[in-house]
Amino acid sequence: EAQVTQNPRYLITVTGKKLTVTCSQNMNHEYMSWYRQDPGLGLRQIYYSMNVEVTDKGDVPEGYKVSRKEKRNFPLILESPSPNQTSLYFCASSLLPRGATDTQYFGPGTRLTVL
Amino acid sequence: TQLLEQSPQFLSIQEGENLTVYCNSSSVFSSLQWYRQEPGEGPVLLVTVVTGGEVKKLKRLTFQFGDARKDSSLHITAAQPGDTGLYLCAGDFGNEKLTFGTGTRLTIIP
Repeated sequence: EAQVTQNPRYLITVTGKKLTVTCSQNMNHEYMSWYRQDPGLGLRQIYYSMNVEVTDKGDVPEGYKVSRKEKRNFPLILESPSPNQTSLYFCASSLLPRGATDTQYFGPGTRLTVL
Repeated sequence: TQLLEQSPQFLSIQEGENLTVYCNSSSVFSSLQWYRQEPGEGPVLLVTVVTGGEVKKLKRLTFQFGDARKDSSLHITAAQPGDTGLYLCAGDFGNEKLTFGTGTRLTIIP
């Protein structure tokens, strides 16, 4: 089954404790991205990757890191989480980075709470 | 930064009624997508529209792209409880990136 998986689905942590949210897709997609979803603000892109070893900042990259060492995986790293990073995070992938013409496949989300 | 505004923000109607939600921008879209998101899940693509004036139908859902490509609407006929969810529009302003609207949270009351 074609899918995007994220782990963990829920995470409660404390300020400053490094964490990683994993994302994996099995569709051989080149384009992957991370979004955060906050009430009243919609989905905002954090980082994206056009292909292996190619990553770039989205609209809200501060406080986040990513890596793309393999085509299928795109982990999101919070080196020193802060309470304002409490949010619902989604990983997404698409065959090509063609904006709103390609289908974006989203993972199920990771709900992160930083105390 | 291009903005996508969706209205209404919340909508609660009885089963069987019709409804329309809107997505508007001050800038021209190259293309636009509509997604539906259910609780505990990620958004799922419903439709992509690329031509001004285009109308697409998906069962009881009708999507329209404005002639000037600055707005879009989603009309649901005879709403059912299964239509409940967050409806998101997402536009490409020519930079091959998706900009999402804030969404319309729709509740269909049985």
